[in-house]
Amino acid sequence: GEDVEQSLFLSVREGDSSVINCTYTDSSSTYLYWYKQEPGAGLQLLTYIFSNMDMKQDQRLTVLLNKKDKHLSLRIADTQTGDSAIYFCAEKGGSYIPTFGRGTSLIVHP
Amino acid sequence: DAGVIQSPRHEVTEMGQEVTLRCKPISGHNSLFWYRQTMMRGLELLIYFNNNVPIDDSGMPEDRFSAKMPNASFSTLKIQPSEPRDSAVYFCASAVAGADTQYFGPGTRLTVL
Repeated sequence: GEDVEQSLFLSVREGDSSVINCTYTDSSSTYLYWYKQEPGAGLQLLTYIFSNMDMKQDQRLTVLLNKKDKHLSLRIADTQTGDSAIYFCAEKGGSYIPTFGRGTSLIVHP
Repeated sequence: DAGVIQSPRHEVTEMGQEVTLRCKPISGHNSLFWYRQTMMRGLELLIYFNNNVPIDDSGMPEDRFSAKMPNASFSTLKIQPSEPRDSAVYFCASAVAGADTQYFGPGTRLTVL
């Protein structure tokens, strides 16, 4: 079946850029998502990209998609302590049910 | 909009007891999803409803788990009898339609002693 892989942890210094990477296997993916989960809360949709796009920018967030390599990344510019959370990559293709990665815990330290 | 509403937010129960988790999806959303999140297995889809009808329940772990959606604004996930390995955070999510973006509730943290 489809699979989505993410590294489990990322630690950055406040003010630096964070880059969270994700790889997926479903070649028929049409939507790719980034969700953010803060402690004790549900998953909050951050942004998404259509599979026919290479890049999407939204304020401090930049999503890059390399469809050939099935690689998605989320860049957070000027990372703040409030960005500390778990970030989930998800893809959706023909099945209509999204496949989620295990999540990357972003730790921002002063 | 209030978003997806789940209750209770926390539930502690003893092994063997019945547990009922509740979800109110966003008004106007026709699809509803129940997920379970654990450290070991991450986020798992348990069941998916479309227009109140269960479409895919292949993720329901065993017969102890059952889910209903009696109307468009309410769903329940029941575990009977509960076991310690059911301890997890259970999320409900809704979408306008099955293919659309899902919006998650805050989750119910279940602890079975």
